[in-house]
Amino acid sequence: AIQMTQSPSSLSASVGDRVTITCRASQGIRNDLGWYQQKPGRAPKVLIYAASSLQSGVPPRFSGSGSGTDFTLTISSLQPEDSASYYCLQDHIYPRTFGQGTKVEIK
Amino acid sequence: EAQLVESGGGLVQPGGSLRLSCAASGFTLSKYWMSWVRQAPGKGLEWVANIKQDGSEKYYVDSVKGRFTISRDNAKNSLYLQMNSLRVEDTAVYYCAREDIYYDSSGAIEYYLDHWGQGTLVTVSS
Repeated sequence: AIQMTQSPSSLSASVGDRVTITCRASQGIRNDLGWYQQKPGRAPKVLIYAASSLQSGVPPRFSGSGSGTDFTLTISSLQPEDSASYYCLQDHIYPRTFGQGTKVEIK
Repeated sequence: EAQLVESGGGLVQPGGSLRLSCAASGFTLSKYWMSWVRQAPGKGLEWVANIKQDGSEKYYVDSVKGRFTISRDNAKNSLYLQMNSLRVEDTAVYYCAREDIYYDSSGAIEYYLDHWGQGTLVTVSS
């Protein structure tokens, strides 16, 4: 199975900060990657698919980049409502695999 | 708007069985691949299984192969997960999710999970 290594596992940042989360695949996955946000007690929600395509209704402060093995989720200006856990998911090969998650906290 | 509602979770002893259901509304179930994803308490997300629109293809994570069976009844707008030989480590919230398509950089059709249910808790304990 493809291993997805996500970093950092947690971070704390201030409102307005630029935040970057990375995901590295154990083998090339083209651009077959999505980013998901999950708030406590809630179901996950897709933010980005195809590595860089913004899902409809998601604020443009979220962006994704990368291809092959290295991917990035960027929040350009962190907002209080962005406090959540974030996961990458590869859909290149079965079984699909998630990164271990990044918990984002607001200072 | 698309909506997914899971049911069927509960407490079961190790070695027991449980059948989860996911009721779909607001879209035509027969047009979409569907997935199950789980999350153990305090842990990350794990993709479990998915099924093609007509049920002809199914894929599973290794840890549930031979124990779990995904199925669907498009006429009833429902997705199912039959879980047998349950283990303590299967304890989790189980989510069903719809898969929408996109075309990747090579032009191949790929999928992402665009709508999720609220989840149902399965607890395996003696």
